[in-house]
Amino acid sequence: DSGVTQTPKHLITATGQRVTLRCSPRSGDLSVYWYQQSLDQGLQFLIQYYNGEERAKGNILERFSAQQFPDLHSELNLSSLELGDSALYFCASSRTSGGFNEQFFGPGTRLTVL
Amino acid sequence: SQKIEQNSEALNIQEGKTATLTCNYTNYSPAYLQWYRQDPGRGPVFLLLIRENEKEKRKERLKVTFDTTLKQSLFHITASQPADSATYLCALKGPGGGSNYKLTFGKGTLLTVNP
Repeated sequence: DSGVTQTPKHLITATGQRVTLRCSPRSGDLSVYWYQQSLDQGLQFLIQYYNGEERAKGNILERFSAQQFPDLHSELNLSSLELGDSALYFCASSRTSGGFNEQFFGPGTRLTVL
Repeated sequence: SQKIEQNSEALNIQEGKTATLTCNYTNYSPAYLQWYRQDPGRGPVFLLLIRENEKEKRKERLKVTFDTTLKQSLFHITASQPADSATYLCALKGPGGGSNYKLTFGKGTLLTVNP
């Protein structure tokens, strides 16, 4: 158990809908990262927050947005969902924003768009 | 463009042998490289980090080398066991310095250790 929690574990929804994925980092970790993993693309970095502020952005679509709240939990919002958004979404956390920190990954949310 | 390539999608070896996985990168100048293990349907788990000024790092049965001239890292598991079967991912810090931290992962190598 990494100490990172993600809810829900599974999510099934229809195209065009909007969903929110939630992540609670390990106690004491200030950085939260979101990743998308699909079979053909591998693990893709989406966005990073550090202590409530956006720090780095990857290949995140405009239909996706995220935020980190004062209690350090984070939410990833996916809207106007398409079939291709079906994937595993992972949240990870680390102690600081520095690159030498290992990242602790949560169990993931499996999103299925029908 | 920047690329990370892991030598093969799948590697099968016999129990007790040494598994060697390769991570090659182009158009990066990483300060360090990380290796993670991922089991099916689960999040990656950090294994080792090696810095650019370190040639080799060991942890129990694991050994990682980092050759910045060849732009390659080798990941070894000695005395492999069926429980080592998993996908192994290498990851590099992406472009941008300072607080612009972005970890880019390779697609991974699926290791199967046969009893």
